[in-house]
Amino acid sequence: DAGVTQSPTHLIKTRGQQVTLRCSPKSGHDTVSWYQQALGQGPQFIFQYYEEEERQRGNFPDRFSGHQFPNYSSELNVNALLLGDSALYLCASSLDRERSPLHFGNGTRLTVT
Amino acid sequence: KNQVEQSPQSLIILEGKNCTLQCNYTVSPFSNLRWYKQDTGRGPVSLTIMTFSENTKSNGRYTATLDADTKQSSLHITASQLSDSASYICVVSADSNYQLIWGAGTKLIIKP
Repeated sequence: DAGVTQSPTHLIKTRGQQVTLRCSPKSGHDTVSWYQQALGQGPQFIFQYYEEEERQRGNFPDRFSGHQFPNYSSELNVNALLLGDSALYLCASSLDRERSPLHFGNGTRLTVT
Repeated sequence: KNQVEQSPQSLIILEGKNCTLQCNYTVSPFSNLRWYKQDTGRGPVSLTIMTFSENTKSNGRYTATLDADTKQSSLHITASQLSDSASYICVVSADSNYQLIWGAGTKLIIKP
């Protein structure tokens, strides 16, 4: 039973470019959340998708957008990259239940130069 | 403002010793409290989830406690092993829309 998979594992982009990160949830999970984690910090919630719609959103600008597909996989898009966007981007999947634990992928390390 | 604060920020102990990590929160309303372990460069892994009515929960050598009155939780690690070296993050779920508030984590280093 595959866990959460994310691609790519590492990415280097130039300031101003756009990037798309991908996530396949754990089998049976229908909810996908995205987090940004700066070095030495806890994860910061970006947004959550359920039934192909953005259900919740953290304090991130509109440059961050996402999508969830009918098979529950998800994409995170970041436009007009800034140096401060350099971070580990984590995808977590869960069931649509309040106490459902989050299952995380190992993230995409994005470096913006 | 909903906040989760963890202490200490970092901790170094010898292999085989016990340790306790602390988590204080000001989250209202409260739904549940979670502890995650995050190895360097990896995604967090869930250790425990506790609701208001649970004051202790164990997962192997990890034991979490919760005092909902004082809004404090602790994670106790017994007989530490080198593989316990990681960041331990406390997460509190508010009752509104399943919002999760994350602490900054405690970085634990186990030395042989």
